Amino acid sequence: GDSVTQMEGPVTLSEEACLTINCTYTATGYPSLFWYVQYPGEGLQLLLKATKADDKGSNKGFEATYRKETTSFHLEKGSVQVSDSAVYFCALIDTGGFKTIFGAGTRLFVKA
Amino acid sequence: SQTIHQWPATLVQPVGSPLSLECTVEGTSNPNLYWYRQAAGRGLQLLFYSIGIDQISSEVPQNLSASRPQDRQFILSSKKLLLSDSGFYLCAWSVLVNTEAFFGQGTRLTVV
Repeated sequence: GDSVTQMEGPVTLSEEACLTINCTYTATGYPSLFWYVQYPGEGLQLLLKATKADDKGSNKGFEATYRKETTSFHLEKGSVQVSDSAVYFCALIDTGGFKTIFGAGTRLFVKA
Repeated sequence: SQTIHQWPATLVQPVGSPLSLECTVEGTSNPNLYWYRQAAGRGLQLLFYSIGIDQISSEVPQNLSASRPQDRQFILSSKKLLLSDSGFYLCAWSVLVNTEAFFGQGTRLTVV
């Protein structure tokens, strides 16, 4: 079945450091890919998405590129802030599907 | 615009007591509706989804049930709570297929 694997956390960075959170997926079709962010005590918010190969999703300085050849959707940010501290979830919906499949989540701590 | 309401925000219940969590969506018709559970420090587990009134699919056999008495209302219930039912419960909605889900703020349930 479909699945999402993302790097285990926690990831601890200093402010202004570069961030990469790895995400790879397994799907039978041509999925749409997503990154969600969860701040402490809150629900999930959609951070960015990509719906086809080579698409780049971007939002709030975060980027991720849909790589079909490597089945990856790594999340990147050039300079993190303390306010970026949260849990980040990689997710997919397979072709024609409506169920979102989530990775286990990666907790990010950013120190001032 | 569409909004999702989930309540209560926090709940402490004794073992063996019943449970009812409610979720309503505004601003859209015939949404797909979902209940997820997030155990402490873990990812999201899809519990139930619904593509229409009285159409409920269960993903994981357990002590919980779900109902959809109205188009935009989704209820998670239990007749007798277990300690293992503790967690963070998230309601979500989406439309069509291959589209992202939008999440409520979650309910923190502690069974004591």
